[in-house]
This record gives sequence, C-alpha cells and structure tokens, in this order.
Amino acid sequence: DTGVSQNPRHKITKRGQNVTFRCDPISEHNRLYWYRQTLGQGPEFLTYFQNEAQLEKSRLLSDRFSAERPKGSFSTLEIQRTEQGDSAMYLCASSPLTGPSGYTFGSGTRLTVV
Amino acid sequence: QQPVQSPQAVILREGEDAVINCSSSKALYSVHWYRQKHGEAPVFLMILLKGGEQKGHEKISASFNEKKQQSSLYLTASQLSYSGTYFCGTGNAGNMLTFGGGTRLMVKP
Repeated sequence: DTGVSQNPRHKITKRGQNVTFRCDPISEHNRLYWYRQTLGQGPEFLTYFQNEAQLEKSRLLSDRFSAERPKGSFSTLEIQRTEQGDSAMYLCASSPLTGPSGYTFGSGTRLTVV
Repeated sequence: QQPVQSPQAVILREGEDAVINCSSSKALYSVHWYRQKHGEAPVFLMILLKGGEQKGHEKISASFNEKKQQSSLYLTASQLSYSGTYFCGTGNAGNMLTFGGGTRLMVKP
C-alpha cells in the first residue's frame, strides 16, 4: 500500500482558469476528505465522501468548487474560474469506514493562482 | 466552530516537557492529534474518544476531558524530532474533523 497519493504536487494557474486535482486514497478506506490549508493555519474542511456518495460539503465552499468520487475509488476536486484567494495547499485524506479513526493524509497539491 | 489551541508556539530544549491544550465550545465526540513538519502532510498521532481516557505510549500521550470539552497533548522528554506544528481536530460521528489553528513546537539541542 503506497498511502494516499495526490496529483499534481504543484499547480500554477492564471486567474480565471479551471484546475482539477486528483486523489487516490488507500484502497481499503471508504471515507475520503478534502481539506484546504493556507500558511500558518490548520486544515479547513471542504468536503467528505463515503464510498461514492458526497455526504457533506462545507457551507464556506462556493459554487466554483466541485468534487467527485466515481465508483468510490479516486476523487477529483475541480475549481472553476480560479481566484487569487484560492491559492492554498489542497489536502486529501482517507480513513476506514468503521468508527472514529485517524486520517492518512496525502502530500497535497499546492495551488498558486497568478 | 474551530477549536482553540494554546499555546500558539513553544520553544523547548531537548529533554524538556510540554503540554498543548485544545478547547472546544461544542460537545466533543472525538479528538484527534496530528503533527505536521514544514512542507509535509499532517501525520496522525492519536485519537481519543468520549470517556476522559488518556492514551498514548512512552513519551507522547493525551487526555480528553469531556466535561470541560478539552484535550491536552503531553510531550515528555522532548526530542529534536518532535519539532513541528501540532493540530488538534474535533470529530463528529461521521469522523469529519474541524482543526484548530495549530501549536508550533521547536525543540533545540
């Protein structure tokens, strides 16, 4: 098991462009989470999947953000019409379905909007 | 509501002890602790569930006081490798976490 994998590691994009990130969780983990982290802050919750179902989405998330997890395997996070305020580290994590359990985080995708 | 961590930063000498606190205004279901080193992803340390139990092993342990809605992380006889930013995360029944702002720990020789 190679852990949680995220691609790309870095993304630089011009304001107004769309970007898509991918996350491959640990294969046995049914739960998948997306978080956003800016410098000096704790991770901020974006959305949560249990298998292929998106069960929770942050109210702070604008309509420009969308996430999918087809077939309950990998997940994608898309940001449309990027803004400079979207610049951050986007972290994906997964955990087993049974009970409270620790997250395994991926290395993240660092997004810079210029 | 984001949990509040204190202190925001602490500097230790190798071998010294530290306590990091995490307080929530909401009833706690679970508390997670993570350590993040610069440029790396957070790494899971431990999870505590309702019941006031203390978990951990050897030199890193934590307690969970459900009544006070707070948790504390105890670092004993710190090592250089303990340096990093520590985050607590308060969890709900769906295992979704709300993270605190972090405590930066620096251990010096």
